[in-house]
Amino acid sequence: NAGVTQTPKFQVLKTGQSMTLQCAQDMNHNSMYWYRQDPGMGLRLIYYSASEGTTDKGEVPNGYNVSRLNKREFSLRLESAAPSQTSVYFCASTLGGGETQYFGPGTRLLVL
Amino acid sequence: GQSLEQPSEVTAVEGAIVQINCTYQTSGFYGLSWYQQHDGGAPTFLSYNALDGLEETGRFSSFLSRSDSYGYLLLQELQMKDSASYFCAVSRDDKIIFGKGTRLHILP
Repeated sequence: NAGVTQTPKFQVLKTGQSMTLQCAQDMNHNSMYWYRQDPGMGLRLIYYSASEGTTDKGEVPNGYNVSRLNKREFSLRLESAAPSQTSVYFCASTLGGGETQYFGPGTRLLVL
Repeated sequence: GQSLEQPSEVTAVEGAIVQINCTYQTSGFYGLSWYQQHDGGAPTFLSYNALDGLEETGRFSSFLSRSDSYGYLLLQELQMKDSASYFCAVSRDDKIIFGKGTRLHILP
């Protein structure tokens, strides 16, 4: 039981490049989330998926797209990376209702 | 909208007790959660208050008062390994919104 896994762990991009961050959970959770964390800003919700087949915007969705591929997987795509997207990205999941979130180890992204 | 306020930093002495406060402005929510995050790590769940009152889990306790729009995390018998950031969060409609976090410094 691996919990929540994320790939890659680190990534360096040039401005304008695209990439997809992958997230998978093996806990049969219904809800999945993507956050970004910047120094002094806490965790900000980018997108979330309350159940398979649904996605909704969070606080900071601009510049991102998501896909809930199936119940296990929730990917985050940057179509044209910008330096302002340099951050640590965390994926998380909950069974439902949001009481307890389980986080992946994070992806550290640097956009030059 | 929803916003949560917590102190940016708190300092305490090893073996002592520390309280981290969280005040919130929200139009309605299911519960208040607390998470711990060590440097370079991922947040991990500590406690959840669905109802008013105190929840105790070992050295950690969490309190919620909906009438006062206020909650706190209480850490007892502080250990050096408790040096970390602590986040309060509210859950509503499948969304979870986090505060900006409180950095806890522990002095020997």
